[in-house]
Amino acid sequence: NAGVTQTPKFQVLKTGQSMTLQCAQDMNHNSMYWYRQDPGMGLRLIYYSASEGTTDKGEVPNGYNVSRLNKREFSLRLESAAPSQTSVYFCASSGELVGELFFGEGSRLTVL
Amino acid sequence: EDQVTQSPEALRLQEGESSSLNCSYTVSGLRGLFWYRQDPGKGPEFLFTLYSAGEEKEKERLKATLTKKESFLHITAPKPEDSATYLCAALSGSRLTFGEGTQLTVNP
Repeated sequence: NAGVTQTPKFQVLKTGQSMTLQCAQDMNHNSMYWYRQDPGMGLRLIYYSASEGTTDKGEVPNGYNVSRLNKREFSLRLESAAPSQTSVYFCASSGELVGELFFGEGSRLTVL
Repeated sequence: EDQVTQSPEALRLQEGESSSLNCSYTVSGLRGLFWYRQDPGKGPEFLFTLYSAGEEKEKERLKATLTKKESFLHITAPKPEDSATYLCAALSGSRLTFGEGTQLTVNP
């Protein structure tokens, strides 16, 4: 049982490049989330999807887009990466109990 | 604005030395208070949910408690494998606000 799987685990980009972070969960959860974690800032919600076919902005959505491809998969896209987007990105999912999140292992992104 | 503050930022204990971590919250209409453990290079791992003041949950050497303004994570006779960053989060409506965490180091 893999839980939440994120790819890639590490990525280095140049300013202006684009990339997509992939996330998949095998727990049949309806809700999926993308967070970023920065020193001194804690975990901040970028986007979330309460169910297949819906997405909503979180606390820090600027510069990002998401796609809920199906119930299992939720991707995060950076269209034109900026150094301020250097961070660790976590995908998470939850079932009926909002707040009980299951996280992936993270994607470490550096934008030069 | 919802706010969650954890203290201390870092805590060093000797093996067997019990202590507590604090999570203070200011949210409108708390629906739940959550504790997570995060190991270096890993994603947070869910530990406990507390729903109302006075509630307690236990797991091995950890016990979480909740009052109307704060939550405590009590660690009894910790072992080196308890070393991690502990995060708390408060749920208000559909908004989950995380604290910055307490980095716990337990020395053998």
